[in-house]
Amino acid sequence: AQKVTQAQTEISVVEKEDVTLDCVYETRDTTYYLFWYKQPPSGELVFLIRRNSFDEQNEISGRYSWNFQKSTSSFNFTITASQVVDSAVYFCALAGGATNKLIFGTGTLLAVQP
Amino acid sequence: EAQVTQNPRYLITVTGKKLTVTCSQNMNHEYMSWYRQDPGLGLRQIYYSMNVEVTDKGDVPEGYKVSRKEKRNFPLILESPSPNQTSLYFCASRVGPYYSPLHFGNGTRLTVT
Repeated sequence: AQKVTQAQTEISVVEKEDVTLDCVYETRDTTYYLFWYKQPPSGELVFLIRRNSFDEQNEISGRYSWNFQKSTSSFNFTITASQVVDSAVYFCALAGGATNKLIFGTGTLLAVQP
Repeated sequence: EAQVTQNPRYLITVTGKKLTVTCSQNMNHEYMSWYRQDPGLGLRQIYYSMNVEVTDKGDVPEGYKVSRKEKRNFPLILESPSPNQTSLYFCASRVGPYYSPLHFGNGTRLTVT
């Protein structure tokens, strides 16, 4: 069975703090892909990043970085120097070859206070 | 502009009154899907379609119908809505392979009283 766990339901930080959103996944597929989506207060879902199971290199994009570790089945997302505009619900998701769906975690609500 | 368009954005209805939420994409994507989002449950797939006239159930299909008569359109039909179908609904499409990112519509907030 495939599963994505985001244990942090809500996180509150003060602007400029660094924050890490945790994502742990389960799958039996040897080839799979992991995603992060952002849902700002306006409600739309915005794709942030995709990683495949064969590429464990960390990724950095501006203030965002992602740490993929197969040994711990984790794909964590760090925001450096958080800003109020980062306030959103963040979803981690998993796609394996055996299914035709994206399996989402329950999301983490990040509130960045000014 | 490449997009997935859902209508309406907000809908309030009563139990048992049939409704349709429309979804249209202009990216020529073969794959389309419907999800519902509920607090504490994340997004769960309702139905998906690999191509025209090909649809299949997702994780929570009960109480919903879909059709895919044209590539661009994938309406979600609730023939007899019930209060437990009150939710935020998203339509999504992707270009093809399962590892392609999904493009989502802006969502439809449905309330069934």
